[in-house]
Amino acid sequence: GDSVTQMEGPVTLSEEAFLTINCTYTATGYPSLFWYVQYPGEGLQLLLKATKADDKGSNKGFEATYRKETTSFHLEKGSVQVSDSAVYFCALQFRNQGGKLIFGQGTELSVKP
Amino acid sequence: DADVTQTPRNRITKTGKRIMLECSQTKGHDRMYWYRQDPGLGLRLIYYSFDVKDINKGEISDGYSVSRQAQAKFSLSLESAIPNQTALYFCATSWTSGPSNTGELFFGEGSRLTVL
Repeated sequence: GDSVTQMEGPVTLSEEAFLTINCTYTATGYPSLFWYVQYPGEGLQLLLKATKADDKGSNKGFEATYRKETTSFHLEKGSVQVSDSAVYFCALQFRNQGGKLIFGQGTELSVKP
Repeated sequence: DADVTQTPRNRITKTGKRIMLECSQTKGHDRMYWYRQDPGLGLRLIYYSFDVKDINKGEISDGYSVSRQAQAKFSLSLESAIPNQTALYFCATSWTSGPSNTGELFFGEGSRLTVL
C-alpha cells in the first residue's frame, strides 16, 4: 500500500545551521505531497505542499521539491532558528481517495541557541 | 476561538470504560477525520466522513466507532477502552470540492487519552 518514510529523529541542530529532513514515499500513481509541522502542545498545521512533479513548495524559509524520479520530498531550510523546534510530518494524498492524508512517522527537530 | 475544537483535551480513564471524544468545527467544511498519533508511528487514520450520511473506516478502526451528528460535529467513541488505545487523538476537517479545496486538512489541538 501507499506509505511515507521519514528520517528518524530526533535531529538536534545549532541555530543558523542548515536543515534537511528526508522524506520518501511509495505510491501507485502521483500523489500530492505535504509537510506539516506540530509545535509543542499544538495540532498540526500545513507548512508547504506540492501537487505535481518538479513543483517546489515553500513557506517560512522552508522548501521541498517534488522529485518523481526518486519518489522524494525532502524538507530543507538554510538557517534554522530556535522557534523552528517542532515535529515535522511528511504526508501524501490522493484527492480521489477522500482527501485523507497518509503520514510518515514524524521527525522531531530541536534547535539549540 | 479555534476553528476545530476538541473536547476533552485530556482524559484519564480505566480499562473497560466507555469514552467519547468530541470534535466541532466552525469552518463549514464537509469532510471530517479522526487520527491517532503514537510516538514513532506518526498519525494513523481511524475514521473519516464526507457528510452526515457518509462514514468510512480508516486503517485502524477496530475498537472505535464514530458518529456524525451534524455537519459541524464528529465524535469518536471507544466502547470499552484498553491500555493500547492510550494515544493523542486529532480531529481534522477539509473541503470536498470547489476553489477552496486545496487538499489541506485543518487540525484541532488534540485530545490526550490515557487508559490505565
